[in-house]
Amino acid sequence: GNSVTQMEGPVTLSEEAFLTINCTYTATGYPSLFWYVQYPGEGLQLLLKATKADDKGSNKGFEATYRKETTSFHLEKGSVQVSDSAVYFCALTQGGSEKLVFGKGTKLTVNP
Amino acid sequence: DAGITQSPRHKVTETGTPVTLRCHQTENHRYMYWYRQDPGHGLRLIHYSYGVKDTDKGEVSDGYSVSRSKTEDFLLTLESATSSQTSVYFCAISGIRGVVYEQYFGPGTRLTVT
Repeated sequence: GNSVTQMEGPVTLSEEAFLTINCTYTATGYPSLFWYVQYPGEGLQLLLKATKADDKGSNKGFEATYRKETTSFHLEKGSVQVSDSAVYFCALTQGGSEKLVFGKGTKLTVNP
Repeated sequence: DAGITQSPRHKVTETGTPVTLRCHQTENHRYMYWYRQDPGHGLRLIHYSYGVKDTDKGEVSDGYSVSRSKTEDFLLTLESATSSQTSVYFCAISGIRGVVYEQYFGPGTRLTVT
């Protein structure tokens, strides 16, 4: 079946550091890929998405590129801020389905 | 922001009592979902709905039932709450954006079963 594996957290960085959160997936065909962010005490928000190979999703300084050859969708940001502290979830949908398959989440803490 | 509300936002209840959580949307989306979030497990799908009176089970449906009598409302019921159902519950709705469905989440309900 479809699955998503993302790096175990927690991740702790200093402000202005470079961020990478790894995400790999297992799926047949051509899934659509997503990153969601959950700030403390809130629900999940869609951060960015990519729907086909080599697409780059971007939002709020975050980027992720859909790499079919490595089945990956790693999240990156060049300079994190304290306000980026949150839990990040990688997810996929398969073949026009509306159901999401989530990774387990990676908690990011950014210190001033 | 997608128009999704959940009620109540917090609830403490005793083992063996029934509990109903409500999700309300103003987006007229067809698909609605209930998830639970627990440390170490991420988000797990409990039940989902693909239309009025059309529902199906997710991966952790035991002990839960759902109902959807109107497009805008999706109810999750714990018939007899147990301590293992202490969790944060999220409702989500799904709508097509371009070529792909996107899910939008409510603010969550924190349920404690004592």
